[in-house]
Amino acid sequence: SYELTQPPSVSVSPGQTASITCSGDKLGDKFACWYQQKPGQSPVLVIYQHTKRPSGIPERFSGSNSGNTATLTISGTQAMDEADYYCQAWDSSTVIFGGGTKLTVL
Amino acid sequence: EVQLVQSGAEVKKPGESLKISCKGSGYSFSNYWIGWVRQMPGKGLEWLGIIYPGDSDTRYSPSFQGQVTISADKSISTAYLQWSSLKASDTAMYYCARHVEAYNYYYYYYMDVWGKGTTVTVFS
Repeated sequence: SYELTQPPSVSVSPGQTASITCSGDKLGDKFACWYQQKPGQSPVLVIYQHTKRPSGIPERFSGSNSGNTATLTISGTQAMDEADYYCQAWDSSTVIFGGGTKLTVL
Repeated sequence: EVQLVQSGAEVKKPGESLKISCKGSGYSFSNYWIGWVRQMPGKGLEWLGIIYPGDSDTRYSPSFQGQVTISADKSISTAYLQWSSLKASDTAMYYCARHVEAYNYYYYYYMDVWGKGTTVTVFS
């Protein structure tokens, strides 16, 4: 079955750039998206189709992809960006989630 | 405003049945896939399946096929997730989410609107 791999944790200082990766076989062909989930809240879509931002999502969130890896980049990271981030793709008629990455802003 | 409003928290015993709901508003409920995502305590997101309310076409994750039933009543813009016999391992938060169907050489899906979640606790 298809798998998406994310690092369990990423740390970043306020104002710096955070990068969270998501790896999977031929992920570049699968239009990955990203969700942010803060403690006690529902997930929120922050990037879809690899690079697109839904309305209301700050411009500091961006996405990219290359071959087998999709990357979520947060520029000028703020304390409010501390959250769990999940990548997601569609494969064999099934939604696949990555294991999630805890972003710590310290 | 597009919203998904989920039913309240449930506490059940093993072996009992349960049906939780998710009511959509602010959009054409029949024309969007809607699905369910599980999050066990302290764990990540797991996709259970989706349904297209317009024709009740349903797809399940292989991991959850036969374990749960997804249904929808388009006349009241409501989707359901049900269990016939709960287990302690079903204890989790369950989210409903509107799925956007997109096409670029093939169809793919992502979730643009989420409900607030329904907590299901199963213990004896």
